[in-house]
Amino acid sequence: KAGVTQTPRYLIKTRGQQVTLSCSPISGHRSVSWYQQTPGQGLQFLFEYFSETQRNKGNFPGRFSGRQFSNSRSEMNVSTLELGDSALYLCASSLEGRGRGETQYFGPGTRLLVL
Amino acid sequence: AQSVTQPDIHITVSEGASLELRCNYSYGATPYLFWYVQSPGQGLQLLLKYFSGDTLVQGIKGFEAEFKRSQSSFNLRKPSVHWSDAAEYFCALYNNNDMRFGAGTRLTVKP
Repeated sequence: KAGVTQTPRYLIKTRGQQVTLSCSPISGHRSVSWYQQTPGQGLQFLFEYFSETQRNKGNFPGRFSGRQFSNSRSEMNVSTLELGDSALYLCASSLEGRGRGETQYFGPGTRLLVL
Repeated sequence: AQSVTQPDIHITVSEGASLELRCNYSYGATPYLFWYVQSPGQGLQLLLKYFSGDTLVQGIKGFEAEFKRSQSSFNLRKPSVHWSDAAEYFCALYNNNDMRFGAGTRLTVKP
């Protein structure tokens, strides 16, 4: 069974631009969560989608948004990029969601550099 | 508020030596606890998890962890480290739709 895939793997943008990252979960998984990983803040939860609905949201500004499609693939969008948005963005999928601590399977991440 | 602390930012051990990575959590009840490993350029891989029951949990790659409620700890152990274990290790706590990760411990393995 294929793992979680994320595209692109690397991205360079400039301040003020917007970016869209994509995540394809493991087949059969309906929950997709997004995390931001930076050296200073560590791993922080962005949001979780389940059956095309945002189920949970972390403490990030509205510039960060996401969506999920009917095939469970998910995208996250960051508008008006700031230098501090440079990070590794990780996507994780699970069968039914993070409830009860269900195991999440992580993708390799998208490394975003904002110049 | 719940939190996870990994006191050691960086640990170096010799290949074949035993390993213990520390994790302390702050939470009123018994949370769900996890250990993940991240190799350079990779995502996170689940090593093991604790929900309830036996406080000694076995995971993949020869790792185990022990939940100690009295010490609010969930330390990760391995009896004999291999060079391929060099990576960053994250302890995580999940409760009520909130997942918190520790800052991570980077493991270096000396030949």
